[in-house]
Amino acid sequence: EVQLLESGGGLVQPGGSLRLSCAASGFTLSSYAMSWVRQAPGKGLEWVSSIRGSGSSTFYADSVKGRFTISKDNSKNTLHLQMSSLRAEDTAVYYCATNTPEPRVDIIMIDWGQGTLVTVSS
Amino acid sequence: EIVLTQSPATLSLSPGERATLSCRASQSVSSYLAWYQQKPGQAPRLLIYDASNRATGIPARFSGSGSGTDFTLTISSLEPEDFAVYYCQQRSIWPPITFGQGTRLEIK
Repeated sequence: EVQLLESGGGLVQPGGSLRLSCAASGFTLSSYAMSWVRQAPGKGLEWVSSIRGSGSSTFYADSVKGRFTISKDNSKNTLHLQMSSLRAEDTAVYYCATNTPEPRVDIIMIDWGQGTLVTVSS
Repeated sequence: EIVLTQSPATLSLSPGERATLSCRASQSVSSYLAWYQQKPGQAPRLLIYDASNRATGIPARFSGSGSGTDFTLTISSLEPEDFAVYYCQQRSIWPPITFGQGTRLEIK
């Protein structure tokens, strides 16, 4: 059974940094593309970033490009999202999600974690 | 960027009725469209991918149709647990991956 457990959320000041983690179990992270999706309070879903199973390619929404970095630690079966220069508009629940297995990079959010809340406020 | 527009914003129906939700793309996305269900306080759940394929474990009362720019999610007979928010998402031309703004299905 696929399980995804996000962690690392919390309260951070504008301009600060935070690193989110998504611990994966039930499958081999290196074989799957993965994504981060966020949801601001009371709002809809917004795609943030995706990474190929191999980690060789990464993709970002314009709203986070240059500030966020997605990565994988395949030895620990963990996905990360390093967030810097945080803004109030980055406040949201951040979900990690599995996509399709290599070599495909079909961004369909198949399984989801429970989410972790990031609040950017002074 | 492909914009997805969902309608209606809110749909009020009773259990046992048929629900029809619409998603329109600003340009063709072929069949690369997915539908998700989200209940309050929960993560979204994949229902349909590639316009008409049910995800694992999704009941047969959920069906998807369409191609190009116009798509429909149909729930043939509403169960109490189906009242939720539904989102469509395209993966045809990306980045960015885009979602619709959602349709809230509420009990009448």
